Amino acid sequence: ETAVFQTPNYHVTQVGNEVSFNCKQTLGHDTMYWYKQDSKKLLKIMFSYNNKQLIVNETVPRRFSPQSSDKAHLNLRIKSVEPEDSAVYLCASSPRDKNYAEQFFGPGTRLTVL
Amino acid sequence: QQQVRQSPQSLTVWEGETAILNCSYEDSTFNYFPWYQQFPGEGPALLISIRSVSDKKEDGRFTIFFNKREKKLSLHITDSQPGDSATYFCAASASGSWQLIFGSGTQLTVMP
Repeated sequence: ETAVFQTPNYHVTQVGNEVSFNCKQTLGHDTMYWYKQDSKKLLKIMFSYNNKQLIVNETVPRRFSPQSSDKAHLNLRIKSVEPEDSAVYLCASSPRDKNYAEQFFGPGTRLTVL
Repeated sequence: QQQVRQSPQSLTVWEGETAILNCSYEDSTFNYFPWYQQFPGEGPALLISIRSVSDKKEDGRFTIFFNKREKKLSLHITDSQPGDSATYFCAASASGSWQLIFGSGTQLTVMP
C-alpha cells in the first residue's frame, strides 16, 4: 500500500515533556511536510523538507524540530511541550513538481498536553 | 492577514441539492488551487484542483468555477450525498512556492 503513515494516532503528555512523532511515506515523493491543525481546524505549515533543503515557517517555536533519516521519513520532535501545542499534527508529502505543490496527507497524530 | 478566505463557515443542504462553497484569495501570484476534503479523524485528501489558466474544472459531481479577475473560486457539489458530509478546504499556491496556503474550511452537512 502506498500512502503516508503516521504514528502514534494519539499522545497525551504533560507540560515540559519531550515528544516525538513519526511519519513515513511510501509514495516515492521527494518532499515532506509537517502541518499543525488546531481545534478550529485551521491548517498551518510548519516545515518543508527534502534531501537538500529544510524550510522552516518563521512562526514555529524553536522547541519544534524535524528529523529525517531519508527522503521517506520525516519525524517531528517537540523538546518541551506547552499547552498551546495541543493539536493534530499532520504529515504530508509531494512529488515536488516545479510548479504545483500537490500534497498527500497522513491521518494525523493528536497531541493533548495536560 | 488571511490570504485565502472561505465562506460559509458551515453549510447544510438536503440530499440531492447542490452545495456551493466559496473561496477568495488576495495574492495575484497564486496559480494553483486545490480543494481538499477532510473527514473526522482523517487527514485532508485532495478532491479536485484547478490551475489559473482554466476557468472551470469538472470531476463527476464536483466542479470548480474560477474567476481570475475577481480572485474568486467556488466548489459546486451537485446531487449532494450524506457521504459528502465533511470539511472542505480551499488552498492556493504560487508557481515555485514551497507553501500551500489553506483557507479556514467549510463544514458541509448533507441531510438525508
